[in-house]
Amino acid sequence: NAGVTQTPKFQVLKTGQSMTLQCAQDMNHNSMYWYRQDPGMGLRLIYYSASEGTTDKGEVPNGYNVSRLNKREFSLRLESAAPSQTSVYFCASAIRGAPSTNEKLFFGSGTQLSVL
Amino acid sequence: AQKITQTQPGMFVQEKEAVTLDCTYDTSDQSYGLFWYKQPSSGEMIFLIYQGSYDEQNATEGRYSLNFQKARKSANLVISASQLGDSAMYFCAMRESGSSYKLIFGSGTRLLVRP
Repeated sequence: NAGVTQTPKFQVLKTGQSMTLQCAQDMNHNSMYWYRQDPGMGLRLIYYSASEGTTDKGEVPNGYNVSRLNKREFSLRLESAAPSQTSVYFCASAIRGAPSTNEKLFFGSGTQLSVL
Repeated sequence: AQKITQTQPGMFVQEKEAVTLDCTYDTSDQSYGLFWYKQPSSGEMIFLIYQGSYDEQNATEGRYSLNFQKARKSANLVISASQLGDSAMYFCAMRESGSSYKLIFGSGTRLLVRP
């Protein structure tokens, strides 16, 4: 099983360029998430999609947009990249259910993004 | 607002000894879930253990156990018999209740196991 697949694994952008990070999961999960991880820090939630057709802002949504294309795919777009967006980006998915249930996140392998 | 705090940026432990990684959380919700993830130097996020807010027993998964003290709002991870392969970043996380189901992470603790 592929699990959660992110592309690309590495990307270098110039300030002001745009790009889309792709994420797909093959586990029939309802919920999908985008996190960023800055050096030496924890993961911060950018956007999430609790179910197909819905998206919501997380802790740090500014400068990003998302699209839940279908149940499998959840993309993250940087319209005008800034050096502050240099980070490692993780996509994750989970089966949706009650909060107190054991529904762990399955993570992709990450995208290392550098904005010069 | 939901918040997770890990106060130990770094920890050392001798191989074969036990270590406790601290995690406190802040929520006004009654229903929530607490998670621990491990991130080795390779970068992937590995799920370790889960504790539900209504679980009366502390969760255990092999060498990992969670010391859950609900009144104190703490969910400390205990690793028994540390191994060199346990050297990694460890993140505590909480699932927010309601319809969002999003997971919020702490800032992490870097554990180094000494031979």
